[in-house]
Amino acid sequence: SAVISQKPSRDICQRGTSLTIQCQVDSQVTMMFWYRQQPGQSLTLIATANQGSEATYESGFVIDKFPISRPNLTFSTLTVSNMSPEDSSIYLCSVGGTGGYAEAFFGQGTRLTVV
Amino acid sequence: GENVEQHPSTLSVQEGDSAVIKCTYSDSASNYFPWYKQELGKRPQLIIDIRSNVGEKKDQRIAVTLNKTAKHFSLHITETQPEDSAVYFCAASSGYSTLTFGKGTMLLVSP
Repeated sequence: SAVISQKPSRDICQRGTSLTIQCQVDSQVTMMFWYRQQPGQSLTLIATANQGSEATYESGFVIDKFPISRPNLTFSTLTVSNMSPEDSSIYLCSVGGTGGYAEAFFGQGTRLTVV
Repeated sequence: GENVEQHPSTLSVQEGDSAVIKCTYSDSASNYFPWYKQELGKRPQLIIDIRSNVGEKKDQRIAVTLNKTAKHFSLHITETQPEDSAVYFCAASSGYSTLTFGKGTMLLVSP
């Protein structure tokens, strides 16, 4: 499976500010995704990062709050904008496998605390 | 859309016992069912998956079974060890679509 590097690994941010999380993969991948995992909870898909086009957002998530870039097949960023304490969570990028199914391999995650 | 239910939410076993975690799904078009293990503070790791064309798959001490008629699948861990303690997530998807995750099961294996 691909090696996925995500940074920062953690950050503490002031409310009202924005944080950009980076995800770098060591090989070209078609599918990249961004998930949120609130403390003690399951994984919730934020959006699918599409190379060369706008990201596809899941219900409850909007581009103004979570803008995503995907400039090439190995890199993506997620920005958490105008943060509030409710945005405190772990954010994970994931990439699809090559088996033709929706396999997902995860980066190590970014633990975000908003104060 | 797909809905995945996972039970139990917590499971405590003694070392050496077996553990079973069960999931049900709602979308009959789902054909891919992975299981993830997440240790505290770490990323979810894919431990085993099953496709809809098979009913059972084994990998050493872990196995997954799938009943497409009843729309449920299960994770079986035999001879549990303390290092099996973690949160386990099931998920489901159809084709290239995104994964829908269950709420997770916290497994605690006591020595």
